[in-house]
Amino acid sequence: EPEVTQTPSHQVTQMGQEVILRCVPISNHLYFYWYRQILGQKVEFLVSFYNNEISEKSEIFDDQFSVERPDGSNFTLKIRSTKLEDSAMYFCASSREGRGYTFGSGTRLTVV
Amino acid sequence: GQQVMQIPQYQHVQEGEDFTTYCNSSTTLSNIQWYKQRPGGHPVFLIQLVKSGEVKKQKRLTFQFGEAKKNSSLHITATQTTDVGTYFCAALSGSARQLTFGSGTQLTVLP
Repeated sequence: EPEVTQTPSHQVTQMGQEVILRCVPISNHLYFYWYRQILGQKVEFLVSFYNNEISEKSEIFDDQFSVERPDGSNFTLKIRSTKLEDSAMYFCASSREGRGYTFGSGTRLTVV
Repeated sequence: GQQVMQIPQYQHVQEGEDFTTYCNSSTTLSNIQWYKQRPGGHPVFLIQLVKSGEVKKQKRLTFQFGEAKKNSSLHITATQTTDVGTYFCAALSGSARQLTFGSGTQLTVLP
């Protein structure tokens, strides 16, 4: 069964540093997403990406965040100048029209 | 923005007992999806409900969508230890079909 692949599985970074989280969505999916989940809390929407551009973004997705699809397969989330409160599990997901999401296994980001 | 309320937050059951989690919205939903997240894992899609009053079954799991499309439930019959995890409902919205997740119900099954 096709999978969404995320790397790295765990990232530790110093406060103020930039991080790039990487995802390879399922190849025939059209919609791509980033979500985050702070430990023990619900899954929160960050941004959606369709047709090579951002479709929607949440209030969490401020100027500190950016997304790119640099080639036909990768989908990245960049966090500039990380803060302690950015520590969370970041999930990439993809979907096709009318179907459920397929989530990746996530990147656990720890900002110290 | 859209909000989806889910109760209970936690549920402990003895293996073999039934379990139900409920999801409510103040607005009419176009559809609702259910996901399961095992401890330390990622959300896994279970099902999507679209029609008013829809009922779908997956083995011991029964999913319902209310007549007014403002609420939904997931019922598990005769729970097993493999059912342990957090069950989330999620409502689809926006032009890019983003999901708004409920707060989840964490199910513990005691052997």
